[in-house]
Amino acid sequence: GAVVSQHPSRVICKSGTSVKIECRSLDFQATTMFWYRQFPKQSLMLMATSNEGSKATYEQGVEKDKFLINHASLTLSTLTVTSAHPEDSSFYICSALGVYEQYFGPGTRLTVT
Amino acid sequence: AQSVAQPEDQVNVAEGNPLTVKCTYSVSGNPYLFWYVQYPNRGLQFLLKYITGDNLVKGSYGFEAEFNKSQTSFHLKKPSALVSDSALYFCAVRDRYNFNKFYFGSGTKLNVKP
Repeated sequence: GAVVSQHPSRVICKSGTSVKIECRSLDFQATTMFWYRQFPKQSLMLMATSNEGSKATYEQGVEKDKFLINHASLTLSTLTVTSAHPEDSSFYICSALGVYEQYFGPGTRLTVT
Repeated sequence: AQSVAQPEDQVNVAEGNPLTVKCTYSVSGNPYLFWYVQYPNRGLQFLLKYITGDNLVKGSYGFEAEFNKSQTSFHLKKPSALVSDSALYFCAVRDRYNFNKFYFGSGTKLNVKP
C-alpha cells in the first residue's frame, strides 16, 4: 500500500508555543488529506479535511484559528497547533486519500507541559 | 444518518481459535467498506476493503470479511488467531455520494491469549 509519513513522531512543547506537524504522502499524489485526533482508548475524531490548493474544511467544534492546516502541495499537508495548551495533548494522525481507501501516517504524540 | 457500529469494545480469544470482530453500518446506497488495524502508538494500517463483486473479501495477515447486504454487516474474521493479532480494529464506511466522507466505528480491542 501507499506510504504516508508524519514528522515529528513525538513532540513536547511548553504551553503557549506553537507546534507544526508535517504529513507527507511518499509515493503518490494526494489531493485530499485528513487530520484526526485520537484520545486514549478512543476512536478517531476527524478534525479537518485538507484539499490541495484550497482552504481546509473543519469539522464542527474544531477551531480553525487554533489548528491551522496548510496543503500547499500534492504530497504535503501541515497541521500547526497554535498557542498550545495542556488540553491539546493528544495523538494526531493524518491520512492521504487514495482511490478508495485512506492511507494513514504513523501518528504524532503531542505533549504540552 | 450515516453511521458505523462496532458493538463490542473488546473481544477475547485464545490463540489458534477463530476470531470475529463485528461491524454493522447504516448508509445510503451501496457502501464502500474497510477494516483497519492499529497497534499501540501507531497509525492505522489498511487490512481489506469491499467495493463491489464477491461478498467475501480477503485481506492482509490472513484476515477476511464478508459483506452481508441484508444484515448491513461487514464482520472481520480469521480462522486461527495469533497473539500478534492483538490490536485495535476499526471498521469504516465511505459515502459513495460524498466521496470525501468516511465514517469510522468506535474500535474493538482484540486480545489474543497464548
